Amino acid sequence: GAGVSQTPSNKVTEKGKYVELRCDPISGHTALYWYRQSLGQGPEFLIYFQGTGAADDSGLPNDRFFAVRPEGSVSTLKIQRTERGDSAVYLCASRKAVQETQYFGPGTRLLVL
Amino acid sequence: AQSVTQLGSHVSVSEGALVLLRCNYSSSVPPYLFWYVQYPNQGLQLLLKYTSAATLVKGINGFEAEFKKSETSFHLTKPSAHMSDAAEYFCAVSEGGSEKLVFGKGTKLTVNP
Repeated sequence: GAGVSQTPSNKVTEKGKYVELRCDPISGHTALYWYRQSLGQGPEFLIYFQGTGAADDSGLPNDRFFAVRPEGSVSTLKIQRTERGDSAVYLCASRKAVQETQYFGPGTRLLVL
Repeated sequence: AQSVTQLGSHVSVSEGALVLLRCNYSSSVPPYLFWYVQYPNQGLQLLLKYTSAATLVKGINGFEAEFKKSETSFHLTKPSAHMSDAAEYFCAVSEGGSEKLVFGKGTKLTVNP
């Protein structure tokens, strides 16, 4: 079946611009996660959705970062006033139920010039 | 908070040799532990997970890991390396009600012919 998909696969933007990154989870998966992976590092948690609500946003680095999941399926990660330090691979994962495996998408590689 | 330490950012083995990738964790509660593999330009794929059942966990592609509470370790092994095993490997622990994953920094495995 279809896995987690993320678009775009690559995004180049200029410092100060606004970007949106999209995640399509596996159908029927109620939980959705965003992680950020900087070069040479492991993924770091950003935010977790259970259904439509953000149940844990403790990993968002500052108020320039925001994410939504209005219908409990597709999620969009939004970054305002991008900075060069935001350059990273943004990973999305979904899982079906508690204690089930998180399945990851291929990521969006964001480069802020 | 949970944390994961992966010893050795780079490991190089010969084809057919034993693979040993080290992971130590810190957790105040019985942990759920995971090994993920990341091939170039691909998302994270689950190799195996420990969820408090058997301490020796078998995963895909011939990998296995042993949970040792006394050593707070969850090392990944494979008896005989194959060229296709070349990738980056991440150890992770699940934290909190959200089950967000806390990752180590990763170990890049090189397999030499």
